[in-house]
Amino acid sequence: DQQVKQNSPSLSVQEGRISILNCDYTNSMFDYFLWYKKYPAEGPTFLISISSIKDKNEDGRFTVFLNKSAKHLSLHIVPSQPGDSAVYFCAAHQHNFNKFYFGSGTKLNVKP
Amino acid sequence: DGGITQSPKYLFRKEGQNVTLSCEQNLNHDAMYWYRQDPGQGLRLIYYSQIVNDFQKGDIAEGYSVSREKKESFPLTVTSAQKNPTAFYLCASSTGDRHYGYTFGSGTRLTVV
Repeated sequence: DQQVKQNSPSLSVQEGRISILNCDYTNSMFDYFLWYKKYPAEGPTFLISISSIKDKNEDGRFTVFLNKSAKHLSLHIVPSQPGDSAVYFCAAHQHNFNKFYFGSGTKLNVKP
Repeated sequence: DGGITQSPKYLFRKEGQNVTLSCEQNLNHDAMYWYRQDPGQGLRLIYYSQIVNDFQKGDIAEGYSVSREKKESFPLTVTSAQKNPTAFYLCASSTGDRHYGYTFGSGTRLTVV
């Protein structure tokens, strides 16, 4: 039973527009969330994170929003660039467990 | 530079043979993890180790084995009992501090023919 879900396997956006990637979770014990970016044949790299005590974290073009009541987080990329084309994974950390649970990923394609 | 190294990047094996994937880190991280990624699927946890000489099964441990004799090393053996071994394998490590997440290696693509 997947505790972290990314229901959109792919997303296509025009360069310069906003990309919104979504992630839902079921476990209310998750206390920290991360987004990773992954290029083909490479390992994922850390992108941005958010604590469960916050509802927004911003880093340059990337903003993560957390809605705890809905158990939903989203990653906004503004403006989107062709170099952002990759697979994005959300990950959730459970309190007192030293491991993260990963979603299935969303493949973002930013068209020039 | 500190990092996590997986080798080889590409590996081919005949069906029925065991194969060991290497994972080495010089980040002084206590915890290490093995994930598997299949096309169109997310990262599935195979095994993880929080400390030397200790490890736990993840969600899909059947057909795999690991050892953690040194802090720096966490090799994964894909045995002949693994029914569908062809996949992309990722190793990761962490300090145990959730704020830093995981550091991933660049992965090993295993193809069994």
